[in-house]
Amino acid sequence: GESVGLHLPTLSVQEGDNSIINCAYSNSASDYFIWYKQESGKGPQFIIDIRSNMDKRQGQRVTVLLNKTVKHLSLQIAATQPGDSAVYFCAETGSGGSNYKLTFGKGTLLTVNP
Amino acid sequence: ETGVTQTPRHLVMGMTNKKSLKCEQHLGHNAMYWYKQSAKKPLELMFVYSLEERVENNSVPSRFSPECPNSSHLFLHLHTLQPEDSALYLCASSQGLAVSQFFGPGTRLTVL
Repeated sequence: GESVGLHLPTLSVQEGDNSIINCAYSNSASDYFIWYKQESGKGPQFIIDIRSNMDKRQGQRVTVLLNKTVKHLSLQIAATQPGDSAVYFCAETGSGGSNYKLTFGKGTLLTVNP
Repeated sequence: ETGVTQTPRHLVMGMTNKKSLKCEQHLGHNAMYWYKQSAKKPLELMFVYSLEERVENNSVPSRFSPECPNSSHLFLHLHTLQPEDSALYLCASSQGLAVSQFFGPGTRLTVL
């Protein structure tokens, strides 16, 4: 069946460095791709999304890149801070009227070292 | 209260017990969701309600019974659960059936 997966289960970076978290997806019909952040003891928090007809979208300190040729999604965090330590999930939506159906990846644990 | 709240935050129950999880959203949304987050497995969509009508049941066993009495409240009634049902149960809400969903902190459920 369709699936969303993450290449790396853990990522450790130094404070101030840039972080890149990767994700592979298989459903080429998805309308949107989304990144969520989940801190310990909290629910997932929406970070940024990208529509399937876009290649890049920037937010505050974050950039999402979408490569539809190889079905790859990445989240770049600039100047990573200790508060960025969390599990990051990519998710893909259904298509058309099923956009609300999110399929999540397993998550990458980002640890920021001071 | 702000955002999405869930009670209880932790629950331990036996396989013969009946319990309920509660979710309340304070965002004025009209769609609510139940997700299951197991260890080492991706987050799984369980149920979706829009305008208090169930629009999605993602092949969830009948021992999980959702209820949405109004657009602000969502319940998950549990009975005769199995140990493999132990997980973090997350509630989310959105304005309309939408990509952008706001999650609560979850209820950590342990079934003995």
